[in-house]
Amino acid sequence: DAGVTQSPTHLIKTRGQQVTLRCSPKSGHDTVSWYQQALGQGPQFIFQYYEEEERQRGNFPDRFSGHQFPNYSSELNVNALLLGDSALYLCASRPRTDLSGANVLTFGAGSRLTVL
Amino acid sequence: AQSVTQLDSQVPVFEEAPVELRCNYSSSVSVYLFWYVQYPNQGLQLLLKYLSGSTLVKGINGFEAEFNKSQTSFHLRKPSVHISDTAEYFCAVSAGYNFNKFYFGSGTKLNVKP
Repeated sequence: DAGVTQSPTHLIKTRGQQVTLRCSPKSGHDTVSWYQQALGQGPQFIFQYYEEEERQRGNFPDRFSGHQFPNYSSELNVNALLLGDSALYLCASRPRTDLSGANVLTFGAGSRLTVL
Repeated sequence: AQSVTQLDSQVPVFEEAPVELRCNYSSSVSVYLFWYVQYPNQGLQLLLKYLSGSTLVKGINGFEAEFNKSQTSFHLRKPSVHISDTAEYFCAVSAGYNFNKFYFGSGTKLNVKP
């Protein structure tokens, strides 16, 4: 059973460029969340998607946007990259119908973005 | 609002010694608490979780944690560590029933020495 898969694993961009990161959730999961983990820090919530809509958003500027497709996969887009956007971007998934919390967030290995 | 504080950024310990990684939280709603482990160049793996019931929670790899509501703590313990436990450990709190939005601490690097 494949877990959460993310691509690319590493990428390098320059300031001002745009980047798209991709995520396929674990089989049976329909909710996708994105987190940013800067070096030496814990992950920070960016936003959550289900039913192809953004449902919740953390404290991130509009340069960060996303999309969810009918097959539940998701993309994270970051425009006008800044040096401070360099981080590990983690995708996580879980089934929306589980209100008990028994199905905990399952994380992918991440996409490491370096902005020069 | 929710927040998590991990007081120790690094914890060095010798192999087969016991270890405790400290976590304190603040929350204005019901709390659900988690510990995740991150090995180098990998994502986060769940160690254990507290949702309700017994305050002593057992997880994978011999780890356990105790939920203490009065002290707002959820410390992680292992009676005897191995070299393979060297990793970074993150404590997290979920805001009420929102199990998608976690607040993470800044992490504790556990360095197990031979």
